[in-house]
Amino acid sequence: DIQVTQSPSSLSASVADRVTITCRASQSIGNYLNWYQQKPGKAPKLLIYTASNLQSGVPFRFSGSGSGTDFTLTISSLQPEDFATYYCQQSYNFPWTFGQGTKVEI
Amino acid sequence: EVQLVESGGGLVQPGGSLRLSCAASGFTVSTSYMSWVRQAPGKGLEWVSVIYSGGSTYYADSVKGRLTISRDNSKNTLYLQMNSLRPEDTAVYYCARTSYSGAGRYYFEYWGQGSLVTVSS
Repeated sequence: DIQVTQSPSSLSASVADRVTITCRASQSIGNYLNWYQQKPGKAPKLLIYTASNLQSGVPFRFSGSGSGTDFTLTISSLQPEDFATYYCQQSYNFPWTFGQGTKVEI
Repeated sequence: EVQLVESGGGLVQPGGSLRLSCAASGFTVSTSYMSWVRQAPGKGLEWVSVIYSGGSTYYADSVKGRLTISRDNSKNTLYLQMNSLRPEDTAVYYCARTSYSGAGRYYFEYWGQGSLVTVSS
């Protein structure tokens, strides 16, 4: 199975901060990497697909980059509604796997 | 507008069975890729299963042989039949419309609200 490891597991930030979350795959996965946001008690929401494509309706302050084994989700200017848990997910091979999550807190 | 509404969750004893339903609107289940993803209390996300538009199905090793994904085209509904349930199957189960951007690049574009399954005696 392909392992995807996120770092950090949690971070503290302030409004307007630039935030970067990293996802590392245990083998090369091309750009088969997606990012999701989840708020407490809610279903996850797709932010970025195939590493760098912004999902329709998602604010432009979110961006994704990377290929191969190393990927990054960046929030250019953190807003109050961005405090949540973020997950990466690979679809290169079955089983599709998620990272363990990164909780972004104040 | 795409909508997914899960139902059928509840409390079941170990070894028991349950069937989850996911009623879809705004698109056609039979021509879509559809997945189940679960989340144990306080834990991360775990992919469970996918059914392709052509009918092929794939499962996580942890559920293979016990959980079965299927769909009813006439009802535009996705199902997850859960047999031989174990306490570690306790989770919120989400159905998700799974989109495709070419050459195996799948992603979970739309999600239901989730249905809680608790396996306990």
